[in-house]
Amino acid sequence: QQQVKQSPQSLIVQKGGISIINCAYENTAFDYFPWYQQFPGKGPALLIAIRPDVSEKKEGRFTISFNKSAKQFSLHIMDSQPGDSATYFCAASPGGGADGLTFGKGTHLIIQP
Amino acid sequence: DAGVIQSPRHEVTEMGQEVTLRCKPISGHNSLFWYRQTMMRGLELLIYFNNNVPIDDSGMPEDRFSAKMPNASFSTLKIQPSEPRDSAVYFCASSHRGFDTGELFFGEGSRLTVL
Repeated sequence: QQQVKQSPQSLIVQKGGISIINCAYENTAFDYFPWYQQFPGKGPALLIAIRPDVSEKKEGRFTISFNKSAKQFSLHIMDSQPGDSATYFCAASPGGGADGLTFGKGTHLIIQP
Repeated sequence: DAGVIQSPRHEVTEMGQEVTLRCKPISGHNSLFWYRQTMMRGLELLIYFNNNVPIDDSGMPEDRFSAKMPNASFSTLKIQPSEPRDSAVYFCASSHRGFDTGELFFGEGSRLTVL
């Protein structure tokens, strides 16, 4: 599987601040870039996803920024809340994700009240 | 609606024993994926099925691992014999291939500890 590199490994943000997680990929065939959120004891769940035909996608407080030329994408969480404390995984796939996803190693996010 | 159901949720076994993990995908989904999660390696795709047929098992660590999907509503992942390095959380996920989103729906995982 082609690698997806994610950083930082862990992140502490004050309540109300902006959380930023970055990912980089190598395979130019990737055309689907989702972010998954995982709470302790649970499986990952889709948070937001983007395709390379747009540079940004926003859903509520969550925004994906995508830079095709740099092969990088990032997740921004605005007005971060304690309930956002979780592990976040970026992922990538060719073919819209039909053949499974290659995940980054995850970012453990803690929002301090 | 029920999500992806995995059993057992926790399994503790001794090295050399056979382990069988089970998964029931979401009804109507035609793709099923087995992932393994560890702190060191993150989420790794082991194998996936489409319409009950194994498509890619290149992620299966070695011959000790095998997976089957006898019908659209059931899959197993078997480890025989188990080793301490197999300790991990094993996730099953399903999706409907052909939908535009490519969203994977994960179960809550089976935490395996091999002593």
